[in-house]
Amino acid sequence: EAQVTQNPRYLITVTGKKLTVTCSQNMNHEYMSWYRQDPGLGLRQIYYSMNVEVTDKGDVPEGYKVSRKEKRNFPLILESPSPNQTSLYFCASRRAGGPSEQYFGPGTRLTVT
Amino acid sequence: KQEVTQIPAALSVPEGENLVLNCSFTDSAIYNLQWFRQDPGKGLTSLLLIQSSQREQTSGRLNASLDKSSGRSTLYIAASQPGDSATYLCAAVRGATNKLIFGTGTLLAVQP
Repeated sequence: EAQVTQNPRYLITVTGKKLTVTCSQNMNHEYMSWYRQDPGLGLRQIYYSMNVEVTDKGDVPEGYKVSRKEKRNFPLILESPSPNQTSLYFCASRRAGGPSEQYFGPGTRLTVT
Repeated sequence: KQEVTQIPAALSVPEGENLVLNCSFTDSAIYNLQWFRQDPGKGLTSLLLIQSSQREQTSGRLNASLDKSSGRSTLYIAASQPGDSATYLCAAVRGATNKLIFGTGTLLAVQP
């Protein structure tokens, strides 16, 4: 089954404790992105990657890091999480080469206390 | 800067009614526009993708239109069902990058 998977689905952590949210897709897509969703602000792009070793900032990259060492994986790293990073996070992917649908993972609900 | 607006923010209709959800965007130089539904506590499911060269797309009871000149897209749902209850999001893609600019959604409730 074609899908985007994220882990963990739920995470409660404390300020300053480094964490990684994993994202993996099995569709051989070139493009991958991370978004966060907040009430009243909607979904906003954090980082995106157009292929292996190619990443760039989205609209709200502060406090986040990403890496793309393999085509299928695109982890989101919070080196020192803060309460304002409490949010619902989504990973997405799509193929390159023209207009194509973006597929989203199930989301990771992160709470930073 | 691209801004996407969805009206209404919430809508409640009786089962069987046809309905239209609206999406407007400020920059007509979009690459394509995608409609999603989001169920509570779940991810986004793609419904329809309209390329900038197209005027509409259809899938089952859903029909989405795109008018770039007026900066508007509509999602038409025919013969609504309680299972259609969800939040509907539209997103504009600018250029060939990966970036979606989302509206804040329309929360639809279909009453049995």
